Amino acid sequence: QKEVEQDPGPLSVPEGAIVSLNCTYSNSAFQYFMWYRQYSRKGPELLMYTYSSGNKEDGRFTAQVDKSSKYISLFIRDSQPSDSATYLCATTPYGNKLVFGAGTILRVKS
Amino acid sequence: DVKVTQSSRYLVKRTGEKVFLECVQDMDHENMFWYRQDPGLGLRLIYFSYDVKMKEKGDIPEGYSVSREKKERFSLILESASTNQTSMYLCASSLLGTDYGYTFGSGTRLTVV
Repeated sequence: QKEVEQDPGPLSVPEGAIVSLNCTYSNSAFQYFMWYRQYSRKGPELLMYTYSSGNKEDGRFTAQVDKSSKYISLFIRDSQPSDSATYLCATTPYGNKLVFGAGTILRVKS
Repeated sequence: DVKVTQSSRYLVKRTGEKVFLECVQDMDHENMFWYRQDPGLGLRLIYFSYDVKMKEKGDIPEGYSVSREKKERFSLILESASTNQTSMYLCASSLLGTDYGYTFGSGTRLTVV
């Protein structure tokens, strides 16, 4: 079993839709959770960071962690074509090494 | 603007060649990482380094080696390139003791023919 599972998509939505991206993880000791955004032919960039359970909001983006079900989510409100990218969830099981999900390809159609 | 710079965006090499991928960061970060990224497999850690001349194997080190002679530079070496090493290679760095905030380079797309 992979430590972090993520549906690779692609997920295609119309402009203005609410997008929900999700990951599950296996180790209940994971404490730090991140979402990275990766545009085509670019490296990933940190989008959101959360610690333990709860929600964190930043503009149109909300990251949510439910440690009881080992589920992490990223919500994008009022999605825009510029949000089209690959979204990677990540967590740290130990030390400084991140473990990444496979990434979900998101396409927002205008 | 802080940066992780990978020396090449695209490389084409022949099977059996020795290949060097270079990565330089200007943020005085202790940690540096090399990943490869393949469709459906996500990011897989090849090697990482916590300090100069220190290195540790990641999940898929076979066929690769690394060198870190200076804090800002972390090189990935393919000793004898093979076609199954065709991939996107990503370098990243972070501060020691942080559990978030990797900064990635733009990647090197390596094709081995």
